[in-house]
Amino acid sequence: GAVVSQHPSWVICKSGTSVKIECRSLDFQATTMFWYRQFPKQSLMLMATSNEGSKATYEQGVEKDKFLINHASLTLSTLTVTSAHPEDSSFYICSAVPGLAGDHTDTQYFGPGTRLTVL
Amino acid sequence: EDQVTQSPEALRLQEGESSSLNCSYTVSGLRGLFWYRQDPGKGPEFLFTLYSAGEEKEKERLKATLTKKESFLHITAPKPEDSATYLCAVQRRQLTFGSGTQLTVLP
Repeated sequence: GAVVSQHPSWVICKSGTSVKIECRSLDFQATTMFWYRQFPKQSLMLMATSNEGSKATYEQGVEKDKFLINHASLTLSTLTVTSAHPEDSSFYICSAVPGLAGDHTDTQYFGPGTRLTVL
Repeated sequence: EDQVTQSPEALRLQEGESSSLNCSYTVSGLRGLFWYRQDPGKGPEFLFTLYSAGEEKEKERLKATLTKKESFLHITAPKPEDSATYLCAVQRRQLTFGSGTQLTVLP
């Protein structure tokens, strides 16, 4: 149980293009999903919190116009990297918390990650 | 500001050689402390959640314990397949991760 998938698992794109990454909770509903990025040999850094039916909350220093987040349903959140540049190359990982609003289960289950390379 | 420090950064063990990983934390209003395992190029895999000092949880060769200032992940008689990076994270409003301990178990 508590399986999270991401698609694609890796993507290579040219500088200036946009890339969309999908995050799905496969066997549970999640009102809250999170997006992280991880650079080589470093730990996970939270980018934003995605809430179903409302705007995402971005961490300080994360450009909301560059990293567009849409939490379309209780099982799907998408991250779009707009006008990607080489410095956006990273490992992007999503997570989801099972349960609906008012539940107190806080465990985040992570997807397998998406490796983005911008040429 | 929430802080999480993991030690050692890297640990090499012989198969069967038990050891412990440390996670020291500073957070006001701890909602939970989490241990994850991360393999190269993969997302973190959930291991344990600890909520209060004195709590212990076990899973196969792993045992996690929690005090008011730190958590330990004990690995008993590790096998090569236990090789991975082990991440500790504390939750107040959000998860704050430590930098991880890279464990290598040699056959």
